[in-house]
Amino acid sequence: NAGVTQTPKFQVLKTGQSMTLQCAQDMNHNSMYWYRQDPGMGLRLIYYSASEGTTDKGEVPNGYNVSRLNKREFSLRLESAAPSQTSVYFCASRPRGFGDTQYFGPGTRLTVL
Amino acid sequence: AQSVTQPDIHITVSEGASLELRCNYSYGATPYLFWYVQSPGQGLQLLLKYFSGDTLVQGIKGFEAEFKRSQSSFNLRKPSVHWSDAAEYFCAVGDGNKLVFGTGTILRVKS
Repeated sequence: NAGVTQTPKFQVLKTGQSMTLQCAQDMNHNSMYWYRQDPGMGLRLIYYSASEGTTDKGEVPNGYNVSRLNKREFSLRLESAAPSQTSVYFCASRPRGFGDTQYFGPGTRLTVL
Repeated sequence: AQSVTQPDIHITVSEGASLELRCNYSYGATPYLFWYVQSPGQGLQLLLKYFSGDTLVQGIKGFEAEFKRSQSSFNLRKPSVHWSDAAEYFCAVGDGNKLVFGTGTILRVKS
């Protein structure tokens, strides 16, 4: 099993450009998550999908959209990138219930100039 | 809203010394608590978790954590630190379908 995979690993954008970060898991997990990590701020939840067909906002959703394409895949889209979105983005998945462990991907380092 | 506080931004310990990383949480009911570790340039890996039962939880890599309800704490400990333990450590509390993370503690190990 590959676990949680993310593409790309690195990306540089110019202000106003758009892009989609891809995430896939092969563990048959129900829930998937997108976080951003900034120095001194820990991980902050952007969006999550508790199950296939549902998505919900997290703590910092502004400027982002998500799509739960199927049970395996959960993408994060930046429609018009801003320098404030420079960050490391992590995708995670979780099997099912409360208290289940979240499994994290390796991250995407995004720079917006 | 649930919250997690990790009061130490950086901690430096000597190799072979003991380690304790602090974590305090705010949660109304019995919490689900987690410790994750992140090596430089990597994703997060679960060290251990607490749901209920024995308040002393054993994890991977020789780590343990103790849940103290009266102090709303879930401190991470290791009796003897190795240079490879240098990393950033995150405490988290489960909040329904989500996790709420602390801001992390960076551990430096000096030889």
